[in-house]
Amino acid sequence: EVQLVESGGGLVQPGGSLRLSCAASGFTFSNYWMQWVRQAPGRGLVWVSRIISDGSSTNYADSVRGRFTISRDNAKNTLYLQMNGLGAEDTAVYYCVRGESTFDFWGQGTLVTVSS
Amino acid sequence: DIQMTQSPSSLSASVGDRVTITCRASQTINTYLNWYQQKPGEAPNLLIYTAFSLQSGVPSRFSGSGSGTDFTLTISSLRPEDFATYYCQQSYTLPFTFGPGTKVAIK
Repeated sequence: EVQLVESGGGLVQPGGSLRLSCAASGFTFSNYWMQWVRQAPGRGLVWVSRIISDGSSTNYADSVRGRFTISRDNAKNTLYLQMNGLGAEDTAVYYCVRGESTFDFWGQGTLVTVSS
Repeated sequence: DIQMTQSPSSLSASVGDRVTITCRASQTINTYLNWYQQKPGEAPNLLIYTAFSLQSGVPSRFSGSGSGTDFTLTISSLRPEDFATYYCQQSYTLPFTFGPGTKVAIK
């Protein structure tokens, strides 16, 4: 069974940093592109970032480029999202998602709240 | 960026009703269009990919159609477990973008 389990969310002050993790199991993690998608409270889905299966290429939404860094450790079956310079607009549930452009499996999400 | 719109934004329907949701892209995306269902407090779930392909395990009452800029998700006979919010997403080009969602509520 495919499982994606996010962790690392929480309350952070404006300008602060946070690193999200996503532990993958039930499939060959190193064969798949992975992504982060976020959803602000009561709002819709917004694509954040993606990384190729071997980690050699990444893409970002304009709203996070230069502040967020996606990475992965295929030996640990884990996806990461390093978030720096956080602002109130980054408050959201962050979902770890499998797929290159179609999101076929989603984690349960981890909530990031940016507030003083 | 490709803008995605959906109509209606919400609808009320009864169990057994046929429901149709429309999604429109701001430019042609061929058939690079996916549909997701999201229930309150849960993660989204892939229903339809590349416009009309049913994801494994999804009931056959769900179907998709369309190409170019106009797409449709149809639920042939609404079940109680189908009350949720539905999102379309274009997978044609980065940044991937979603529609604003259509909430299907109980009449």
